Amino acid sequence: DVKVTQSSRYLVKRTGEKVFLECVQDMDHENMFWYRQDPGLGLRLIYFSYDVKMKEKGDIPEGYSVSREKKERFSLILESASTNQTSMYLCASRPQGGLAPWWFGEGSWLTVV
Amino acid sequence: AQTVTQSQPEMSVQEAETVTLSCTYDTSENNYYLFWYKQPPSRQMILVIRQEAYKQQNATENRFSVNFQKAAKSFSLKISDSQLGDTAMYFCALAGNNRKLIWGLGTSLAVNP
Repeated sequence: DVKVTQSSRYLVKRTGEKVFLECVQDMDHENMFWYRQDPGLGLRLIYFSYDVKMKEKGDIPEGYSVSREKKERFSLILESASTNQTSMYLCASRPQGGLAPWWFGEGSWLTVV
Repeated sequence: AQTVTQSQPEMSVQEAETVTLSCTYDTSENNYYLFWYKQPPSRQMILVIRQEAYKQQNATENRFSVNFQKAAKSFSLKISDSQLGDTAMYFCALAGNNRKLIWGLGTSLAVNP
């Protein structure tokens, strides 16, 4: 099975801090994604990457940036964390190909105080 | 714009019975892919079943099957012989040609003993 690992399950950060969420996949997938999940709003795409050093904005990129220096690693960066970024963050990876599924990590709960 | 609608926010079923979760979608693309994902209390997003739009035959995975009605843009999930471990949030999702996955807001399913 595909393994998508998110480095931190639970984080508590202060307003204004720089936050890094790391995601690593072990199946050489081209595509990687960051979502946030909030009650009543479902999953919303923040950023995705379809190749090393490539990135595209999703639906809610404001306040976030990403980095993909190696194929297996996709990092989400909150330059200056704010309380409205308190959320569950999900990383996913996927190979090329229409029916290929998205494979998800276990999620990172971020609380900004 | 592509949309996915799950009209049942919550459902419950008795153990060993059958339940059907509804999903409708809208897309202008001719070729697309549909997925059902399950998110148990652990929050790990798990693929349940997938379907290619150009395939008429409904997908089946053990106790899980879909009723895919392309003309009606409907993609319902049937769970047979429900088990306590099926208790989870179920998400319907649509993937088109733009590498993005469009999500419904989910149906919370409770399987009662």
